[in-house]
Amino acid sequence: QKEVEQDPGPLSVPEGAIVSLNCTYSNSAFQYFMWYRQYSRKGPELLMYTYSSGNKEDGRFTAQVDKSSKYISLFIRDSQPSDSATYLCAMTPILTGGGNKLTFGTGTQLKVEL
Amino acid sequence: DVKVTQSSRYLVKRTGEKVFLECVQDMDHENMFWYRQDPGLGLRLIYFSYDVKMKEKGDIPEGYSVSREKKERFSLILESASTNQTSMYLCASSLRSGGRLTQYFGPGTRLTVL
Repeated sequence: QKEVEQDPGPLSVPEGAIVSLNCTYSNSAFQYFMWYRQYSRKGPELLMYTYSSGNKEDGRFTAQVDKSSKYISLFIRDSQPSDSATYLCAMTPILTGGGNKLTFGTGTQLKVEL
Repeated sequence: DVKVTQSSRYLVKRTGEKVFLECVQDMDHENMFWYRQDPGLGLRLIYFSYDVKMKEKGDIPEGYSVSREKKERFSLILESASTNQTSMYLCASSLRSGGRLTQYFGPGTRLTVL
């Protein structure tokens, strides 16, 4: 079983819809949670960053972390065609000293249709 | 603005060739990473480095080696390329510690081995 599970999609929604993207994980040591967006033929870019449990909002995007359920979500309000991309969740425990390896989900492909 | 650059966007090599992929970051980050990304498998860590001349194996190091002679540059080497190394290769960098552990990615190199 993978440490991080993410539905690969594809997920197709109409413009203006609310999108919910999710990841589940098994390692209770994870403390930092990230969402990356990856457009076709590009590298991933950081979208949201949260620490421990709770919500974080940035414009049309809201990230939620529920550590008790080992479940994280990314909500996109008023989705736009420009939101069409693959969304990857990533997470890491708190580390001191060496490298902070991230564990990634496989990504969910989202398409927002006109 | 953060920047990670990779030497080539597209590369075609023949089986058995030695292949060098170069990555440069201008953010003075201590950590650098090499991933490969394949459909259905997501991002898999090949090697990472948390300091000059330091390297650690990731999840799939077989068939690869790395070099980090300068802080800003991290090279991935395929000693004898094989067709199963056809993939998208992504380089990333991050701070070692102190809060933001997020990784910043380059645009990727799509390598095809014939």
